[in-house]
Amino acid sequence: GQQVMQIPQYQHVQEGEDFTTYCNSSTTLSNIQWYKQRPGGHPVFLIQLVKSGEVKKQKRLTFQFGEAKKNSSLHITATQTTDVGTYFCAGPSADSWGKLQFGAGTQVVVTP
Amino acid sequence: DGGITQSPKYLFRKEGQNVTLSCEQNLNHDAMYWYRQDPGQGLRLIYYSQIVNDFQKGDIAEGYSVSREKKESFPLTVTSAQKNPTAFYLCASSLGRWELFFGEGSRLTVL
Repeated sequence: GQQVMQIPQYQHVQEGEDFTTYCNSSTTLSNIQWYKQRPGGHPVFLIQLVKSGEVKKQKRLTFQFGEAKKNSSLHITATQTTDVGTYFCAGPSADSWGKLQFGAGTQVVVTP
Repeated sequence: DGGITQSPKYLFRKEGQNVTLSCEQNLNHDAMYWYRQDPGQGLRLIYYSQIVNDFQKGDIAEGYSVSREKKESFPLTVTSAQKNPTAFYLCASSLGRWELFFGEGSRLTVL
């Protein structure tokens, strides 16, 4: 079945550094979404990418959708302590409309 | 303010008991979802509903049941048949264009 994989599973970052987390799907996606879950909280929608090669920015966050629409990345520049949390990517299931397949997430820890 | 309300926030259950988790939304969204989250893992879909009086099984529906009698409400029952029910349960809704709005979650612990 369809799989959505994220790497790395954990990311320790020094405050001020940049890092990138990656999302890969076993099937072509019509769109991909990113969510952030703070420790003890619930996932919050960040962004949706639809077009092949699309790049969107939200302040220090840059999201990219691959040309083949099977992978995506999230790049954070100048990491701050407020970036702590788990970042999930999610794509529509190939076998059933209405299902969103989530990756296992990248847990980000920021060291001051 | 519009949003999704889940209750209770914390719930303790003895083995062999059924429990029902409430999920109410006032966003006028057609689609509603229940996800389960275990520590260090992603979100796994239990059930989803795209319209009132209709719902479909997700990837881990065994031991769970739902109903969708009203557009605003999508309660989840965790039955005694669920082998390992201790988890964080998240309800979500969407307008159908995929952006999910999540409730604050219900944390179930089986004693």
